[in-house]
Amino acid sequence: GAVVSQHPSWVICKSGTSVKIECRSLDFQATTMFWYRQFPKQSLMLMATSNEGSKATYEQGVEKDKFLINHASLTLSTLTVTSAHPEDSSFYICSAREGSGSYNEQFFGPGTRLTVL
Amino acid sequence: AQKVTQAQTEISVVEKEDVTLDCVYETRDTTYYLFWYKQPPSGELVFLIRRNSFDEQNEISGRYSWNFQKSTSSFNFTITASQVVDSAVYFCALSVNTGGFKTIFGAGTRLFVKA
Repeated sequence: GAVVSQHPSWVICKSGTSVKIECRSLDFQATTMFWYRQFPKQSLMLMATSNEGSKATYEQGVEKDKFLINHASLTLSTLTVTSAHPEDSSFYICSAREGSGSYNEQFFGPGTRLTVL
Repeated sequence: AQKVTQAQTEISVVEKEDVTLDCVYETRDTTYYLFWYKQPPSGELVFLIRRNSFDEQNEISGRYSWNFQKSTSSFNFTITASQVVDSAVYFCALSVNTGGFKTIFGAGTRLFVKA
């Protein structure tokens, strides 16, 4: 199947700093990319959906000014956690889809574990 | 609105036992996809199966089998002769494409297989 990579795989930062997470589709062009957040022992919660070249659509309760998403190309989306605080510590997972039909599969990245001290 | 319910939070079995993980979904869409994913301690999701709403045929893959019943909106997953390596969190998920593609995950079932 198609491969989606994330970088970094883990990051530790100080409170108040910004952290950027990259998501790349390695062997296909991702029309749509998704960002999920998973707190310990909880499920994956969709944060936002981004289509290449347009603004991301955020789920209710997700602060768009805090979680900046850029989908500048068909193979790269970035999530920037601005002014991170300990409560932002979580496992962030991206996924990507090629095409927009119902049959188009969604492929998940390996996740990025963020710890904010 | 769409919803996926995995009522079993944790299941503990002894190796070689069979175990069934339940999944009940809700959607008004007639076209949808159902998935099962395995999430080991590393965190990376491992795709297990995808089933579309028009295909109710049950599937078997090695020790894994899935029972899809639209009449009860269920998509249950059975592991036969469980092994310690099966220990993980298993997520059932539902994808719809009305008003934009979206995948909704269940809360997950944590499976412990003891030797």
